[in-house]
Amino acid sequence: SQTIHQWPATLVQPVGSPLSLECTVEGTSNPNLYWYRQAAGRGLQLLFYSVGIGQISSEVPQNLSASRPQDRQFILSSKKLLLSDSGFYLCAFTRGSTGEKLFFGSGTQLSVL
Amino acid sequence: QKEVEQNSGPLSVPEGAIASLNCTYSDRGSQSFFWYRQYSGKSPELIMSIYSNGDKEDGRFTAQLNKASQYVSLLIRDSQPSDSATYLCAVTPFHQFYFGTGTSLTVIP
Repeated sequence: SQTIHQWPATLVQPVGSPLSLECTVEGTSNPNLYWYRQAAGRGLQLLFYSVGIGQISSEVPQNLSASRPQDRQFILSSKKLLLSDSGFYLCAFTRGSTGEKLFFGSGTQLSVL
Repeated sequence: QKEVEQNSGPLSVPEGAIASLNCTYSDRGSQSFFWYRQYSGKSPELIMSIYSNGDKEDGRFTAQLNKASQYVSLLIRDSQPSDSATYLCAVTPFHQFYFGTGTSLTVIP
């Protein structure tokens, strides 16, 4: 069966510091990978998605970036965090076919202070 | 991002009643539709998927889709206190999954 691992569970970072969140998927090849952010009391905002190694689509222009260095690894980064970057960050995957279901990792609660 | 609209609630129903959750979407090219449940502080979990017009039932849950009206709904029969959560509607025009802001449901014992 497929599983998704996301870490860390919580993170407290000062404004202006860098960020790196990592996500890995097991049990499937060539998954579609996604990064979402959920601000407090808000819905899920699609940040990036990837349909293959090195292929990144950005939905929202901001100071975040994503990379997919390996088939089942997805990384979310920032060079300098803003207060507005605080939120619940979720990595998710599908097996790649249209109509496939989206499954989420356990999430990272990021607080930028 | 594509618009997906849900009433934010809160929606309160007594235990054993039917809870009705609604969602509208703007992109007529949307192909697949999903309902997720999210408990506070946790990640969303998939509870229903629907791809064609009509009703789809799974246990106490029924999803309804009307593509002409761009409307999808979720009915929860025999609501239980454990159903108290935020319910998120998601639509996919292709690879992207767009979510509504969610409806908060409270089932009162």
